[in-house]
Amino acid sequence: DAKTTQPNSMESNEEEPVHLPCNHSTISGTDYIHWYRQLPSQGPEYVIHGLTSNVNNRMASLAIAEDRKSSTLILHRATLRDAAVYYCSSTGTASKLTFGTGTRLQVTL
Amino acid sequence: DTGVSQDPRHKITKRGQNVTFRCDPISEHNRLYWYRQTLGQGPEFLTYFQNEAQLEKSRLLSDRFSAERPKGSFSTLEIQRTEQGDSAMYLCASSSARTGPYNSPLHFGNGTRLTVT
Repeated sequence: DAKTTQPNSMESNEEEPVHLPCNHSTISGTDYIHWYRQLPSQGPEYVIHGLTSNVNNRMASLAIAEDRKSSTLILHRATLRDAAVYYCSSTGTASKLTFGTGTRLQVTL
Repeated sequence: DTGVSQDPRHKITKRGQNVTFRCDPISEHNRLYWYRQTLGQGPEFLTYFQNEAQLEKSRLLSDRFSAERPKGSFSTLEIQRTEQGDSAMYLCASSSARTGPYNSPLHFGNGTRLTVT
């Protein structure tokens, strides 16, 4: 499984964009990049995933570097409800999603 | 979509006792996963079913752990002779095979928190 590296924590002001980075330098060509987030006392929630091209959905955008060794999850306007631990994973199959310790995002007024 | 349901939400047991957890996946999902999460860590993969077949088991799944999915619907995870190190959140997730094996999002339940005293 590819190893991922994320900052332990980040802070953002409400209504501002947030860029959450992830390094996955050992990623192989067929590995998808997945992002999940986890609110307190809840299971992880799917956010977005991609392979090579940048991806957008109603929750976030995923920017994937051209060499695929890193990616950035973009929350366009952070709200208090976005405060969570964000995990990135780069694995060949969803059956082997491997989560690191993630980035704890704090959103303040 | 009623989501993935796990029961019980909390379980406190004494060391040496057996415990069983249940997971009801999203009804049309044929893949089911068990993960374990300890405080401050991300979830760790334990095992994975496609329909009733258990296709993959992590080395974390010692012989005291057994998981079943007898009819390809709900699943149970049993821990025999519990140890204090088994204290964790046990998470179940499901996904659909229709979008392919590499990019199917996992839908997680809210977990069963096990405390072994």
